[in-house]
Amino acid sequence: DAKTTQPPSMDCAEGRAANLPCNHSTISGNEYVYWYRQIHSQGPQYIIHGLKNNETNEMASLIITEDRKSSTLILPHATLRDTAVYYCIVRALTNNLFFGTGTRLTVIP
Amino acid sequence: NAGVTQTPKFQVLKTGQSMTLQCAQDMNHEYMSWYRQDPGMGLRLIHYSVGAGITDQGEVPNGYNVSRSTTEDFPLRLLSAAPSQTSVYFCASRSTGGGEKLFFGSGTQLSVL
Repeated sequence: DAKTTQPPSMDCAEGRAANLPCNHSTISGNEYVYWYRQIHSQGPQYIIHGLKNNETNEMASLIITEDRKSSTLILPHATLRDTAVYYCIVRALTNNLFFGTGTRLTVIP
Repeated sequence: NAGVTQTPKFQVLKTGQSMTLQCAQDMNHEYMSWYRQDPGMGLRLIHYSVGAGITDQGEVPNGYNVSRSTTEDFPLRLLSAAPSQTSVYFCASRSTGGGEKLFFGSGTQLSVL
């Protein structure tokens, strides 16, 4: 599976959009981009995934560049409850998930 | 629908003791896996299973055994606990039919003295 690069930490003001970047320059054609988050010491929670088109669900939006070498997770209106570590992972559908160290997002009141 | 249930939530062992971490899911998921998470680190895959009777090693399998006799259960065994196995352990499951969501349990915090 392709390796991803994320900034170790980011801050975001409450109510503003949080834009979390991820680089995955070695992604293969059959690999999807997944985002999970881990709030405090809980088990990780699935957020969203996509192959090449932009995706949106009730939690977030995922923007994937046309060359698929990077992506951005967007939380449109960050709340204090969105403070968490966010993991960007690329994998083929049948493969295992391998987690990096993620981005620690802190939402500031 | 309880999802993925892990027991116990906390455990303290002495070096050399053995124990089994339990994991059960009620979503009829074929795929189950175990991760460990050390302080400040991401999750690392220990073992996984794609169905009853089938298991395989992940990134860090040494010191751990697994078996999968039923679809619902995937226990993780520590045969002789070592301080290096102090960690938080997460069990997860998903369907294998192109399943995109991995569902995680709430974790077991294990300390080996």
